[in-house]
Amino acid sequence: GENVEQHPSTLSVQEGDSAVIKCTYSDSASNYFPWYKQELGKRPQLIIDIRSNVGEKKDQRIAVTLNKTAKHFSLHITETQPEDSAVYFCAANSGGSNYKLTFGKGTLLTVNP
Amino acid sequence: EAEVAQSPRYKITEKSQAVAFWCDPISGHATLYWYRQILGQGPELLVQFQDESVVDDSQLPKDRFSAERLKGVDSTLKIQPAELGDSAMYLCASSSDRGQPQHFGDGTRLSIL
Repeated sequence: GENVEQHPSTLSVQEGDSAVIKCTYSDSASNYFPWYKQELGKRPQLIIDIRSNVGEKKDQRIAVTLNKTAKHFSLHITETQPEDSAVYFCAANSGGSNYKLTFGKGTLLTVNP
Repeated sequence: EAEVAQSPRYKITEKSQAVAFWCDPISGHATLYWYRQILGQGPELLVQFQDESVVDDSQLPKDRFSAERLKGVDSTLKIQPAELGDSAMYLCASSSDRGQPQHFGDGTRLSIL
């Protein structure tokens, strides 16, 4: 089955700096890669996703890049703010018809004012 | 904005007891997912429904867990008997169809004493 690895497990940045979280996946048939933000005690919220037919997608301060050859994708947050502090999860779908998502173990991002 | 509804938010019970969780997906969403999230880890898929049919339950411990979505709308996940290792957050998610963005509910935090 799909294996998704996420790094780093914790990341601390100063307000205004950029943050980058990286994930690798194992299933070459994967074609959908969402990112979720989960604040303490709250539901995971979809913040951005990318499909394998594009290499990059941006939404204001958030961007995701995908390298299908290397089987890795990354989340980039620019001009970080304290409210960006949360756990971020990447995920990749399996190549089967059910599009099952496998999640990474998460990255705890702390933005220091 | 439509949301996935789950109840109860918290459940404390003793081992060997039965416990049930309920999920009401976003209206019109054909695909419903139950995930288990252990503290400090990403969600892990337990069971996936397409309308009223189970399409993936490969990670569901079937000796004690059961799930149903009888009319293809809301769903119930049951554990009997509960074990100490079942303590976790149980998240429900839905999507308009397989391979489409998944939206999560607030989850049920289960504690087994």
